[in-house]
Amino acid sequence: KNEVEQSPQNLTAQEGEFITINCSYSVGISALHWLQQHPGGGIVSLFMLSSGKKKHGRLIATINIQEKHSSLHITASHPRDSAVYICAVDSNTDKLIFGTGTRLQVFP
Amino acid sequence: DVKVTQSSRYLVKRTGEKVFLECVQDMDHENMFWYRQDPGLGLRLIYFSYDVKMKEKGDIPEGYSVSREKKERFSLILESASTNQTSMYLCASSSIQIRVNTEAFFGQGTRLTVV
Repeated sequence: KNEVEQSPQNLTAQEGEFITINCSYSVGISALHWLQQHPGGGIVSLFMLSSGKKKHGRLIATINIQEKHSSLHITASHPRDSAVYICAVDSNTDKLIFGTGTRLQVFP
Repeated sequence: DVKVTQSSRYLVKRTGEKVFLECVQDMDHENMFWYRQDPGLGLRLIYFSYDVKMKEKGDIPEGYSVSREKKERFSLILESASTNQTSMYLCASSSIQIRVNTEAFFGQGTRLTVV
C-alpha cells in the first residue's frame, strides 16, 4: 500500500463543474503539497499547507491532520485546468513522498 | 521569474550509451533533486544534493550517478543507458530547509527514451 494515496486516478468534468481531488496519507508529516503537472511535463507548486485551508483564485486546499486527509477543490472548472494533480507530503522521516497523481480533463 | 531549467525536453538514446541530463536553477538554492516519474508509480527520488560536491542517494539510485560542481547546476548521468531507464526525469530545487515546510521548484522534465 502506498504511503500517499490519491483518488480518483482519473477524472473528467464539464466546464463549470466543481471538482474535488482527495489525498490520504499514512505517515506523520510536517507539510503537504499540491502540485500541478501540465501535459508538457513541467510541475508547478499550487499549495503547501500544514493545517486548515488555503485559497488561491478558484483553487482551495484543505487538510485534516487528525484524519490524515487533504482535498483539492477547483471551483468553476475550465479546460485549462486539465492537468495531472499530485499530492506530496513532507514526512517526519525527512522524505518527500508523492502520490501517483490524478489526471483531470475538463471539457468545454 | 524563478526558474529551473532542464537542458532537453525529449531525448532518444541507444542502449549502452552514456547519457547526461542537465539541470540549472537561478534561485541560489542549496538543495537540488533528480526524480523519475513512471505511470502508476509517481515520482521517485534518484539522487539529491544539498551543497556543491555533495550528493546523497535517493530511493532508486542504481544505474545512475550525479555531479554537482557548481551550486546552480546538477547533472544526472546514466553510465550505460538501458531500456528500463526510459522515463520522464524531473529536476527540482529548493532552499536549504526543503524538508521543513518550503516549496520545491520543478523543471519542465526530460522525456528519455532508450532504444
